[in-house]
Amino acid sequence: GENVEQHPSTLSVQEGDSAVIKCTYSDSASNYFPWYKQELGKGPQLIIDIRSNVGEKKDQRIAVTLNKTAKHFSLHITETQPEDSAVYFCAAGDLLGNEKLTFGTGTRLTIIP
Amino acid sequence: DAGVIQSPRHEVTEMGQEVTLRCKPISGHNSLFWYRQTMMRGLELLIYFNNNVPIDDSGMPEDRFSAKMPNASFSTLKIQPSEPRDSAVYFCASSPPAGTDTQYFGPGTRLTVL
Repeated sequence: GENVEQHPSTLSVQEGDSAVIKCTYSDSASNYFPWYKQELGKGPQLIIDIRSNVGEKKDQRIAVTLNKTAKHFSLHITETQPEDSAVYFCAAGDLLGNEKLTFGTGTRLTIIP
Repeated sequence: DAGVIQSPRHEVTEMGQEVTLRCKPISGHNSLFWYRQTMMRGLELLIYFNNNVPIDDSGMPEDRFSAKMPNASFSTLKIQPSEPRDSAVYFCASSPPAGTDTQYFGPGTRLTVL
């Protein structure tokens, strides 16, 4: 089955700086890579996703890059703000197949004011 | 639009008691997932349904856990008997027909078994 590794487990950055979280996956059949943000006491919320037919996707201060050859994908947050503090999860799956997502272990991001 | 609805939001029970968690998926979604989240094991998929049929229950920890989806708008996860190690946050998520969109999570049920 799919195995997703996520690094780092914790990350602290100064407000205004950029944050990068990296994930690797094992199953070459995976074609869908969402990122979720989980705030304290809430369920994971989708913030951005990418499909295997593109290499990069941006949404305002958030971007995701995908390298299918190396089987890794990354989340980039620019101009970080205090409200970006949360736990971020990457995931991988086959959107057209069994619909299961395999999640990474999460990154606790802290933005230092 | 209402998101995924879960109840109760918090449940405290004693070891040996039966616990029933409930989920209402987003209207129009035809897949439903039950997850368990703990500090030690992260986010684990327990079971998922497609068109009300259980597709993969390989993540269900043991026979004490059971899940049903009697119709497209309701699912339950039952633990009987409950044990302290079942304490966790249980999430329900739903997704639309395959290939169209991702999974959307509910707010979770925090279960504490004393």
